[in-house]
Amino acid sequence: AQSVTQPDIHITVSEGASLELRCNYSYGATPYLFWYVQSPGQGLQLLLKYFSGDTLVQGIKGFEAEFKRSQSSFNLRKPSVHWSDAAEYFCAVGANTGRRALTFGSGTRLQVQP
Amino acid sequence: NAGVTQTPKFRILKIGQSMTLQCTQDMNHNYMYWYRQDPGMGLKLIYYSVGAGITDKGEVPNGYNVSRSTTEDFPLRLELAAPSQTSVYFCASRTGTGGYGYTFGSGTRLTVV
Repeated sequence: AQSVTQPDIHITVSEGASLELRCNYSYGATPYLFWYVQSPGQGLQLLLKYFSGDTLVQGIKGFEAEFKRSQSSFNLRKPSVHWSDAAEYFCAVGANTGRRALTFGSGTRLQVQP
Repeated sequence: NAGVTQTPKFRILKIGQSMTLQCTQDMNHNYMYWYRQDPGMGLKLIYYSVGAGITDKGEVPNGYNVSRSTTEDFPLRLELAAPSQTSVYFCASRTGTGGYGYTFGSGTRLTVV
């Protein structure tokens, strides 16, 4: 069964500082990996996704993520955080067979200090 | 394009009441899903459907039922609501071919008191 672990429940960074959110997955084959962002009271917005090919994936809002098969990781990064990035971030893994549902991590809440 | 539409956006139920959460998509997607999100948690899969007339359980199906009579609609039924069903419910859909085009609805916030 597939699973996702986000080790950091809560992270606080200063505006302008760099950011890295960790995500580790468990899946038997090549995974499809996603990062979503959720602002308070809102739905989910897709930041980026990885299916195959280049292991460094660029997303919206200046985010990027790197797939590392050897570490079963898909960490999200941003070089300079803006106050508007404060939100909850979810990593998810999916399969392109069977029910094709996403399995989500428990999320990392990002706070941005001025 | 409306995408995935969920109604209602908010609802308060009393214990033991029943209700149906509506979900409609206009993208002709085969796959549809219901997730719940509890405070401070990720999304858990309740039920899913791979096409009209075909549904199956996810990780947390107890207390819920679904039907899929058309491609567009995938309602979630709560029978005998319990406080443990207080959550935010998200409907999602995706095409069965090509890229992984998941589309989420904006959610229904349900409180059972």
